[in-house]
Amino acid sequence: NAGVTQTPKFQVLKTGQSMTLQCAQDMNHEYMSWYRQDPGMGLRLIHYSVGAGITDQGEVPNGYNVSRSTTEDFPLRLLSAAPSQTSVYFCASSYSQGSYNEQFFGPGTRLTVL
Amino acid sequence: AQSVTQLDSQVPVFEEAPVELRCNYSSSVSVYLFWYVQYPNQGLQLLLKYLSGSTLVKGINGFEAEFNKSQTSFHLRKPSVHISDTAEYFCAVRTNFGNEKLTFGTGTRLTIIP
Repeated sequence: NAGVTQTPKFQVLKTGQSMTLQCAQDMNHEYMSWYRQDPGMGLRLIHYSVGAGITDQGEVPNGYNVSRSTTEDFPLRLLSAAPSQTSVYFCASSYSQGSYNEQFFGPGTRLTVL
Repeated sequence: AQSVTQLDSQVPVFEEAPVELRCNYSSSVSVYLFWYVQYPNQGLQLLLKYLSGSTLVKGINGFEAEFNKSQTSFHLRKPSVHISDTAEYFCAVRTNFGNEKLTFGTGTRLTIIP
């Protein structure tokens, strides 16, 4: 199993540009989520999904969109990038909605918005 | 809502010395507790978790943590650290019902001094 994969690893955008961060998992996990990591702030939940076709907002959803058309993929879209979105983004997945299930993290995407 | 506090942002420790990384949480309901490790330029990896039962939890790489309900703490310990333990460590909490939302602390950067 490849686990949780993310592309790209690095990205530089100009203010106002749009892009999609890709996330895929091959473990047949129901639950997937996106976090952003900023210095001194830990990881903050952006959006999450409990299954194909179902998404919900996390702690910091503004400026981001998600969709979940398949179990495997959970892309994160930035419609109009802003410098405040400069961060490291992590995708995670777990088997089901049970609170005891371990979340598996991808390697991250480092995004810089100029 | 739950919250996690990691008071130490950086902890320098000499090689082969013991270390304790502190974590305190706040929640009005019962919780599950986790420690994750992030090695440089990598995603997060689960070190250990407390779900129920014995309050002393053993994890990978010789780490252990003790759940103390009265002090609402979940400190991470290792009796003898190695250079390879250099990483950032995150404490996280999740309520024990329903959803998968993890709340992370701000992280502690462990630096091992040769």
